[in-house]
Amino acid sequence: AQKITQTQPGMFVQEKEAVTLDCTYDTSDQSYGLFWYKQPSSGEMIFLIYQGSYDEQNATEGRYSLNFQKARKSANLVISASQLGDSAMYFCAMRERNYGQNFVFGPGTRLSVLP
Amino acid sequence: GAVVSQHPSWVICKSGTSVKIECRSLDFQATTMFWYRQFPKQSLMLMATSNEGSKATYEQGVEKDKFLINHASLTLSTLTVTSAHPEDSSFYICSARMGLASAHPTDTQYFGPGTRLTVL
Repeated sequence: AQKITQTQPGMFVQEKEAVTLDCTYDTSDQSYGLFWYKQPSSGEMIFLIYQGSYDEQNATEGRYSLNFQKARKSANLVISASQLGDSAMYFCAMRERNYGQNFVFGPGTRLSVLP
Repeated sequence: GAVVSQHPSWVICKSGTSVKIECRSLDFQATTMFWYRQFPKQSLMLMATSNEGSKATYEQGVEKDKFLINHASLTLSTLTVTSAHPEDSSFYICSARMGLASAHPTDTQYFGPGTRLTVL
C-alpha cells in the first residue's frame, strides 16, 4: 500500500491566489513527522515545512501552512498569495519512528502558477 | 546553514565505465547520509542509507556491488556507479541529517542539488 498519496498530479493556480496541495498518509506509528519539499526544474529539493504528529498547532512558515488533520491522516500544504516562482514539483514526505531515519516520498504534484 | 553540496552536478560517461559522485555537508557534521535516485517525472526513491564509519544499508532491489557507497567522514559520502549502463541514467540526490544517529521523526534532512548522470 502507498504510504504517501498525492492525488493531484498537476495543479494550476492564478498568481496571487491561494492553492492547496493534498497529501494523505498511512501509518500505524504514533510518532511520525510530515514534510513538504519543493523541487524546481533545477532539481534541488527545497525544504518548506514540517509537522510533528504530536504537534497540536498547524505548522506555518511564511506563505506556507500545513493543514494537519490527524484523524483523517491528511497533511495538505496551503500556499497563500501564489507567485510565479512557486511553479515546481511539490513532494509530501513522512518519516516514522518505527522505520528509522528514512523518508518516504509521495509521487508529487506539479504546480503551475499562471500570470 | 545546513548546506549540502554534490559534485559533479552532471556527468556523461560511456557504458561500462565507473562514475563517482560526492556529497558533502558544508557547515555541519552529518552522521547519516542518504542516496536517492529519481527518474524523469517520478518521485525520489531511496537507494541506501550510510552512517559514518560503517557499511551502508541498501534498500531492497538496489545492487550494493553496483552502487558502492563510502561514508568515510562526517562531512563526505561518495556513491560510485560501477560498470554503468544506459539504464543507470538518472538524477541522483544525496541528503544529510545532522545530529545523533538515533533520529527523531521530525529531524529534517537537507538535500544536495543533485547529479544528473547520463550513460551513453
